[in-house]
Formats: sequence, structure tokens, C-alpha cells
Amino acid sequence: KQEVTQIPAALSVPEGENLVLNCSFTDSAIYNLQWFRQDPGKGLTSLLLIQSSQREQTSGRLNASLDKSSGRSTLYIAASQPGDSATYLCAVFPPNSGGSNYKLTFGKGTLLTVNP
Amino acid sequence: DTGVSQDPRHKITKRGQNVTFRCDPISEHNRLYWYRQTLGQGPEFLTYFQNEAQLEKSRLLSDRFSAERPKGSFSTLEIQRTEQGDSAMYLCASSLGVTGARAAFFGQGTRLTVV
Repeated sequence: KQEVTQIPAALSVPEGENLVLNCSFTDSAIYNLQWFRQDPGKGLTSLLLIQSSQREQTSGRLNASLDKSSGRSTLYIAASQPGDSATYLCAVFPPNSGGSNYKLTFGKGTLLTVNP
Repeated sequence: DTGVSQDPRHKITKRGQNVTFRCDPISEHNRLYWYRQTLGQGPEFLTYFQNEAQLEKSRLLSDRFSAERPKGSFSTLEIQRTEQGDSAMYLCASSLGVTGARAAFFGQGTRLTVV
């Protein structure tokens, strides 16, 4: 059974700092990996999708990397801002799904607080 | 707005009552997924539909839970005889169900509080 772990569970940083959030998964036979943002009491906002054949994806100040062989992904946030404060979740797609099966396995998330 | 839509956004109910939630997927999407998220946890898969057929159900979906997608468009999730442990955020996602790298998109969720 796939298990996804996110470390740290919570992180507090001053504004402007660069930071890294970690995600690890026990079964490396994933298809894709996706990072989400969740604001308190809200749904999930998609941030980045990394295909199984890719090693990283970038969007603005966000960069996500994937190392399937070691079962790890990182989300790098540059020049953090108070508006980045939220919970960040990573989720893996099941193997052999062609990326079309959204039966995702999620981690518990990292609660990020960026202080002005 | 052409995203995934969920209704209601919030529901407070007394223990033992029945509740029903609705999810409207992105219009051309033939697959629809339900997840449950309890406080401090990541979302957990409950069930999914391809068109009107319910193809998979998690063991989390007890016999008090029933989901339907009668015409392959919107879906409903009903919880009968609610318990305090049912308090959670219920999330819906939809997809095209075709091979390829497409991001999963979720609705804003329905937060259920059982008192």
C-alpha cells in the first residue's frame, strides 16, 4: 500500500526566505506526482504536476523536483511572501494508470506560515 | 466558471440526520471522484465514477454512504444516520479519463459538521 509522508508538518519562516518542502512515497512505481495548495477551510488548488518521466517542473517562484528511484519530491518556494501561507499537499498517481486515474494518495501536508 | 462546483459549501446537521451533497464536474469530463478530508489529514479516496458507472469504492465508504451519478453528469453523495465521525471536508474532482499528463482539479469542497 502506497504511503506518502511530508516533512516538516509545519514550517514558519520570515518573509523573503527561500524554503523547501519535502514529500516521500514508499512505492516508487508512481505515474505522476502533483503538488497542491490548500487555504484554511477551502478546496485544493493545483500548483504543479510532474510526469513520471520528468525530473522537475517550474511555475513562477515554485519549482518541484521528482526522484522516483529514491521515492522523493521537493517543492522549492523562492522569496516567500505572506500570501504563500497555506497547507501544501503532495499526491501521487497510481502506477500503470496513464495519468488518467485520479485515485490519488495524499500526504498530510505541510502547514507553511510566512511572517511579514 | 467552468471548474468543478460543489454544493453546499457548508452543512451543519444533527447526529442521526441524513445529508446529501452535490458535485458538478467540468462539463466534458467523464470521470468523477469523491474524497474525504478530516482535520489535519490529507484527502482520502472514497469512490469514483466513469460516466454513470461506479467503478471503485474504498473500504472507507461504509453502508451508510451512497453515491450516484445518474446521467453521467452531476453526482450526489448521501450520508445516512450521520455520526460525529463523519464531520469532514468532502471533496470532488473530475477528469477526462484519457491517457496523458493532466493535472487533477478539485472543487472547493463541502464542509460537514455533525453536532
